[in-house]
Amino acid sequence: GIQVEQSPPDLILQEGANSTLRCNFSDSVNNLQWFHQNPWGQLINLFYIPSGTKQNGRLSATTVATERYSLLYISSSQTTDSGVYFCAVERAGGTSYGKLTFGQGTILTVHP
Amino acid sequence: NAGVTQTPKFQVLKTGQSMTLQCAQDMNHEYMSWYRQDPGMGLRLIHYSVGAGITDQGEVPNGYNVSRSTTEDFPLRLLSAAPSQTSVYFCASSYSGTGLKTQYFGPGTRLLVL
Repeated sequence: GIQVEQSPPDLILQEGANSTLRCNFSDSVNNLQWFHQNPWGQLINLFYIPSGTKQNGRLSATTVATERYSLLYISSSQTTDSGVYFCAVERAGGTSYGKLTFGQGTILTVHP
Repeated sequence: NAGVTQTPKFQVLKTGQSMTLQCAQDMNHEYMSWYRQDPGMGLRLIHYSVGAGITDQGEVPNGYNVSRSTTEDFPLRLLSAAPSQTSVYFCASSYSGTGLKTQYFGPGTRLLVL
């Protein structure tokens, strides 16, 4: 199956700092999503971004499908950004059924 | 809209017991999925459904059964619980049309098998 690698595995920031999270995948995809899992375990979809660039407030994401990677940018981090960030993909080559393969996640801790 | 709901929130089972985890969504999504999340790991797909009456296996289907009799509901059955099934279970749903395929997740069910 498709492989998804996220880096770094852990990230510690001071409030106000910027960060970049990376997701590499091993095959062509027709679905790529970034999720934030908060400390209470809830998974929140941040971006649906199989290609291109999107921005939502302090967060933005870029996927370069031809080079098989995606980046999630967090600017002016806040303590509420803490949690685990997951990249999840679905391999291309047929209908997208929402069968996502998740990376291992990046654990982000933002200190006040 | 309630989105994706799951019950129960937490369950303790003894080895060999059976139970059903409930999942419902009110967004009229065709696609629904079950994932499990083990400590320190990402989510792994157990079973998925592309519509009422249609289900298929994911990455880790052994020990679990599913059925989909309505668009709204997608229950997950543990036939004979084992300690290896201790995990957090998430149900998800997404739109089946062209374009945006954002997945929406339920709050999860924490299962402990003794």
